[in-house]
Amino acid sequence: GAGVSQSPRYKVTKRGQDVALRCDPISGHVSLYWYRQALGQGPEFLTYFNYEAQQDKSGLPNDRFSAERPEGSISTLTIQRTEQRDSAMYRCASSLGAVGTGGNEQYFGPGTRLTVT
Amino acid sequence: GENVEQHPSTLSVQEGDSAVIKCTYSDSASNYFPWYKQELGKRPQLIIDIRSNVGEKKDQRIAVTLNKTAKHFSLHITETQPEDSAVYFCAASRTDKLIFGTGTRLQVFP
Repeated sequence: GAGVSQSPRYKVTKRGQDVALRCDPISGHVSLYWYRQALGQGPEFLTYFNYEAQQDKSGLPNDRFSAERPEGSISTLTIQRTEQRDSAMYRCASSLGAVGTGGNEQYFGPGTRLTVT
Repeated sequence: GENVEQHPSTLSVQEGDSAVIKCTYSDSASNYFPWYKQELGKRPQLIIDIRSNVGEKKDQRIAVTLNKTAKHFSLHITETQPEDSAVYFCAASRTDKLIFGTGTRLQVFP
């Protein structure tokens, strides 16, 4: 079946502009996660949802970052007033249920490479 | 907060040899430990995972061991092949978010 998809795959934006990154999880997956991955580093947690409820946003760097998942399926990560330090690969992952409570594995999407000039 | 350390950062082995990658975690409440393989330009792919009620798990040429007392877990790859060359990440979780290690670049030479 279809895996996790993300769009756009590449985004180049000018400093100060807002960007919206989209994630389409595997159908039926309850949990959706956003990570940021710098080159040569492991993914860094940003936030996650169970259904439409945002469960943990402790990884969001500052209040320019926000995320939503209004209908419990597709999610959007929005970065306002982008800065050069926001340049990174943004990855989405989904899982059937809660991982830490004996749930299921996280499957990653292809990522959106954001470049802020 | 939770921290995961991973060693070594690079590992070179001859085809057919074994490779071992080690991780330690700080949060004793962590109970789920997956390993991901990431090839150049690709997404991380889950290759094996282990939960805290198990000490060892094996899947063909790969195995993972967990020592809860020492708070460390390891990935073992036997009979390595050139296609095993990639960056490997360990991770730990006690709720849902994964905390990743810094990665190990494995190179398998024919």
